Amino acid sequence: DAKTTQPTSMDCAEGRAANLPCNHSTISGNEYVYWYRQIHSQGPQYIIHGLKNNETNEMASLIITEDRKSSTLILPHATLRDTAVYYCIGYSGGSNYKLTFGKGTLLTVNP
Amino acid sequence: SAVISQKPSRDICQRGTSLTIQCQVDSQVTMMFWYRQQPGQSLTLIATANQGSEATYESGFVIDKFPISRPNLTFSTLTVSNMSPEDSSIYLCSMRGDSYEQYFGPGTRLTVT
Repeated sequence: DAKTTQPTSMDCAEGRAANLPCNHSTISGNEYVYWYRQIHSQGPQYIIHGLKNNETNEMASLIITEDRKSSTLILPHATLRDTAVYYCIGYSGGSNYKLTFGKGTLLTVNP
Repeated sequence: SAVISQKPSRDICQRGTSLTIQCQVDSQVTMMFWYRQQPGQSLTLIATANQGSEATYESGFVIDKFPISRPNLTFSTLTVSNMSPEDSSIYLCSMRGDSYEQYFGPGTRLTVT
């Protein structure tokens, strides 16, 4: 799986968009980019994933650069409940079932 | 997404004892996983549990220490054996979804004294 690099921490004002970057320059052609988050004292929560195209769901948007070396998770209107550690993971699925969690980004949403 | 529950939610155990953690999923799933999250750390995969076969353990984890059962497609257990304070962690189970995403249980917070 690709090694990913994320900032250690970020702050965001409540109601504003939170843009969380992730570098994955070694990602291979068949690896998807998955995003999870972990709110304090809870199990990780799947957010979104993508391969090449930008993706959007009810939780977030995922923007992947054309060269696939980086991506950005966008929470369009951050709330206090979005304060969590966000993990970006390169993952090919299939028989390679292992999710390798890095240290992630601690996003703090401030009132 | 599936609903995953774990029991117990937390426990305090004495050194040398064993604890069995239960994981129940509300739908049938092929692959279930067990993770450990040590204090202040990220998650580490312990093993993959497939129904009807032996669990597959990751490097650094052995069956004698972390025996796993998978009796059916909705249930799995992880036992932490002969516990020491270093086993104090959050233990999480997860299941794989249709698009290879994983859904996690709430975790079991274990403290070993």
